[in-house]
Amino acid sequence: DAGVTQSPTHLIKTRGQQVTLRCSPISGHKSVSWYQQVLGQGPQFIFQYYEKEERGRGNFPDRFSARQFPNYSSELNVNALLLGDSALYLCASSSGPTPDTQYFGPGTRLTVL
Amino acid sequence: GDSVTQMEGPVTLSEEAFLTINCTYTATGYPSLFWYVQYPGEGLQLLLKATKADDKGSNKGFEATYRKETTSFHLEKGSVQVSDSAVYFCALGDGSSNTGKLIFGQGTTLQVKP
Repeated sequence: DAGVTQSPTHLIKTRGQQVTLRCSPISGHKSVSWYQQVLGQGPQFIFQYYEKEERGRGNFPDRFSARQFPNYSSELNVNALLLGDSALYLCASSSGPTPDTQYFGPGTRLTVL
Repeated sequence: GDSVTQMEGPVTLSEEAFLTINCTYTATGYPSLFWYVQYPGEGLQLLLKATKADDKGSNKGFEATYRKETTSFHLEKGSVQVSDSAVYFCALGDGSSNTGKLIFGQGTTLQVKP
């Protein structure tokens, strides 16, 4: 079975623009979480969606939003990009909503100029 | 709030040396504990986990024991290889929030020299 997939792999945007990142979970997994990993730091939790509903939200501004589709894939949207949004964005999937084993995708590297 | 603290790196070892990466946590309740590994240019891979006190997680020669009395989950390996060079993250599952949220430490870079 395929693992977690994310697209695009890399993205370059300028300040003020908007970006959409995509994630497809492992087949059968209903939970998708998003993390931001700034260079040299550990990942920071942004959102979790389970069964198409928001399950949890981290300490990020309202410029960050997400949604989950009926096939359990997910999109992360970031509006009004700032230089500080430059990071690796990781998607993780798991079968249930609790902090159990999560499988991470390879990430999307976002650079904001 | 809940948090994870890891020893600072980089940790540089010769091949076949013994490895210890320290991890301590602060949490309410009884979180699950994890070690993830990140190879250059890749996402995170689960290395091992433990879900309750005194559990030992193990995988690929790595081990870690959930110590509630010292709030620690130190990663150990008896004999490291060059291929173990990577960044290692300790994490806890935020059980108090009833979500799948993971809280990560800052990561420890391991460099193994031949």
